[in-house]
Amino acid sequence: SQKIEQNSEALNIQEGKTATLTCNYTNYSPAYLQWYRQDPGRGPVFLLLIRENEKEKRKERLKVTFDTTLKQSLFHITASQPADSATYLCALVGGGANNLFFGTGTRLTVIP
Amino acid sequence: DAGVIQSPRHEVTEMGQEVTLRCKPISGHDYLFWYRQTMMRGLELLIYFNNNVPIDDSGMPEDRFSAKMPNASFSTLKIQPSEPRDSAVYFCASSRFEQPQHFGDGTRLSIL
Repeated sequence: SQKIEQNSEALNIQEGKTATLTCNYTNYSPAYLQWYRQDPGRGPVFLLLIRENEKEKRKERLKVTFDTTLKQSLFHITASQPADSATYLCALVGGGANNLFFGTGTRLTVIP
Repeated sequence: DAGVIQSPRHEVTEMGQEVTLRCKPISGHDYLFWYRQTMMRGLELLIYFNNNVPIDDSGMPEDRFSAKMPNASFSTLKIQPSEPRDSAVYFCASSRFEQPQHFGDGTRLSIL
């Protein structure tokens, strides 16, 4: 079965630095991968989608890479701010067209 | 634009009682998903519907769980009888085909 691992449960970083979160997967070749943000007491919110034929995707201070050979995605937040503190989840599309399998998430804390 | 609406936000009930969780998806979305989130297992897909028809219910843990979607604007997830191990946050999400999912803010369920 698919296995999705996010590099660490928690990551602390100083304000202004770049945060890098890792998502590794096995036993699967997804057509695309998504990243979501989840704040306490709220549902996940979609951030970025990257397809298997795309190496990199950017949105404002966010950047996602997708290496299908390494079976890995990296999620970067540049010039991090305390407001970026949240849990970040990666998700891979499953066997159906739309169902997603989620990683367990990385809780990011940006220290002022 | 209203997002995905879930009710109730919190539910506390005693073991053995029937629990019904409700979801109103975003208008125009033809996919609806039910997830369960716990600290131990993260976000798990329970079941998803396409055009009101259940497509994959392999994530439903036991026969005690059932889900229905009588029309495009309403879905329920029912647990009968409930057990303490069902305590979790239950999320509903909706989407269009191959588009990111939009999540509600969840129902926090506690079974005593």
